[in-house]
Amino acid sequence: KQEVTQIPAALSVPEGENLVLNCSFTDSAIYNLQWFRQDPGKGLTSLLLIQSSQREQTSGRLNASLDKSSGRSTLYIAASQPGDSATYLCAVRPRSGGGADGLTFGKGTHLIIQP
Amino acid sequence: EAGVAQSPRYKIIEKRQSVAFWCNPISGHATLYWYQQILGQGPKLLIQFQNNGVVDDSQLPKDRFSAERLKGVDSTLKIQPAKLEDSAVYLCASSLDYGSSGNTIYFGEGSWLTVV
Repeated sequence: KQEVTQIPAALSVPEGENLVLNCSFTDSAIYNLQWFRQDPGKGLTSLLLIQSSQREQTSGRLNASLDKSSGRSTLYIAASQPGDSATYLCAVRPRSGGGADGLTFGKGTHLIIQP
Repeated sequence: EAGVAQSPRYKIIEKRQSVAFWCNPISGHATLYWYQQILGQGPKLLIQFQNNGVVDDSQLPKDRFSAERLKGVDSTLKIQPAKLEDSAVYLCASSLDYGSSGNTIYFGEGSWLTVV
């Protein structure tokens, strides 16, 4: 059974710092890995999707890497801003012959950027 | 492009009552998912549909939860009777298709359930 772990569970840093969020998963048979952002009282917003054949994806100040063989992904946020405050969730999509490919999520990292 | 629509956004019910949540996925998306997110946890998959067929319902508590997607578009998730531990956000998501590494899964804003 796939398990996804995110470290740290919570993080508080001053504005302007670069930071790294970590995600690890136990089963490397995945289709892709997604990073989501969740604001309080809101649904999930997809930030980056890395296919199993890719090593990294970038969008603006965000960069996500994937090392499938070691079961690890990192989300790098450059020049953090107060608007980046949210919970960040990592999720993997399994490679399943039967079509069942629902995401398995970590518990998330609760990020606070201090002005 | 319209996103995934869910209703109601908020619901408070007493234990042993019933509740139903509705989801309308993004137009053209064949795959639909229902997730349960308990406070402080990541979402957990309850059921996956491909068109109007169930692909995976292994984590759905079938003694009290049911879901359907009769015409392969909208879906309804029902809980009867509700328990206190069912208090959670119920998230609906859709994807163009399953089994493709590049398909992003899009989420609705969720239906917040409180059971008292």
